[in-house]
Amino acid sequence: AAGVIQSPRHLIKEKRETATLKCYPIPRHDTVYWYQQGPGQDPQFLISFYEKMQSDKGSIPDRFSAQQFSDYHSELNMSSLELGDSALYFCASSLGSSGTQETQYFGPGTRLLVL
Amino acid sequence: AQKITQTQPGMFVQEKEAVTLDCTYDTSDPSYGLFWYKQPSSGEMIFLIYQGSYDQQNATEGRYSLNFQKARKSANLVISASQLGDSAMYFCAMRGAGSGGSYIPTFGRGTSLIVHP
Repeated sequence: AAGVIQSPRHLIKEKRETATLKCYPIPRHDTVYWYQQGPGQDPQFLISFYEKMQSDKGSIPDRFSAQQFSDYHSELNMSSLELGDSALYFCASSLGSSGTQETQYFGPGTRLLVL
Repeated sequence: AQKITQTQPGMFVQEKEAVTLDCTYDTSDPSYGLFWYKQPSSGEMIFLIYQGSYDQQNATEGRYSLNFQKARKSANLVISASQLGDSAMYFCAMRGAGSGGSYIPTFGRGTSLIVHP
């Protein structure tokens, strides 16, 4: 079965640079979530989109922005990167109309290292 | 606000034995879903099992079962017949129904499970 695809899988950037992470949800899934997971931490919710509109916002820095496109893929844009942005970034997709039963399926993650 | 508490930072179990990973939650939303995810050392997050707040029976998925005690607000994961490949970090998560609860999923801090031969 098709899973969530994230690219790139690994990314090394320097401070103050920009990065773009991409997420391709499971076919027919209309909701995308972005999470940041620091070493030894639980995933922290950043932002979500439902039907190409932002639905919820979590602890996403102002330096980050995201959008969901007409084909439902999503991109997380990160600018003025800081050392503390080094983390594993997950994208998850779900069928948003499932209510509380909505199960998120996670992609493999993008490991970002900021030097 | 929603909150998930996993009080066991680490657990050890011998291969082929059963193990219970604890999860308690707090929410004011009468309708919510509870989830368990497995994160092996490779990093990916793997969905294991789901329990709805109105489900009458405990969820089961193969060797995984969820011991749901609504009055105690607990949703413990039971892994039967542990295998070496079960060694991983396990996260409990919940999601409300919005409008009073929260659509934003909340994760616990995780429990590291080590299965030894």
